[in-house]
Amino acid sequence: GQQVMQIPQYQHVQEGEDFTTYCNSSTTLSNIQWYKQRPGGHPVFLIQLVKSGEVKKQKRLTFQFGEAKKNSSLHITATQTTDVGTYFCASVTPKFYFGSGTKLNVKP
Amino acid sequence: GAVVSQHPSRVICKSGTSVKIECRSLDFQATTMFWYRQFPKQSLMLMATSNEGSKATYEQGVEKDKFLINHASLTLSTLTVTSAHPEDSSFYICSAPPQGLAKNIQYFGAGTRLSVL
Repeated sequence: GQQVMQIPQYQHVQEGEDFTTYCNSSTTLSNIQWYKQRPGGHPVFLIQLVKSGEVKKQKRLTFQFGEAKKNSSLHITATQTTDVGTYFCASVTPKFYFGSGTKLNVKP
Repeated sequence: GAVVSQHPSRVICKSGTSVKIECRSLDFQATTMFWYRQFPKQSLMLMATSNEGSKATYEQGVEKDKFLINHASLTLSTLTVTSAHPEDSSFYICSAPPQGLAKNIQYFGAGTRLSVL
């Protein structure tokens, strides 16, 4: 079954506010991926983290992989309405399991 | 990026009928494809791993006789929901990792919304 837990389940923010979602695993992950699913759409790959303590940035998005490789986070700075959607982390090995997801709603 | 085509996008059927969903990798070969099921406001639950030329691997609790998977070529996997019932209504989505350097990245089909009356 699923190996990763994700919090919070929902987040409502005002446009311009920051947003963070956290992903936690009980086991050490070889790597972790993040996906975004827009309402009515399918998941789209955002990034993959492999190294312990790795931090990657994509414009306003910052992704972190914990030192113990058991947790990860996605932080969005100054949210925009285009950020609306559900963000999933996914463990890649041994199987491809998605976290429970965090649904982000941004109010203009 | 790689493109995965899933068809049909939506299907409405009567209880007891079977529904086939196709997943095609359009510009790459995929020896493995994955089938997921997503209930409203929930995460994607891995149902099975489709393996080209061999039997699919099903997750615990997924009935293999209910959800038939065929991976007949390197670009096509099909999921057939047999004798569908209203509780099978859901969003089914496939994904495929392209071979090579990006082999861990999943490219998803657009999904199929199944409604069983």
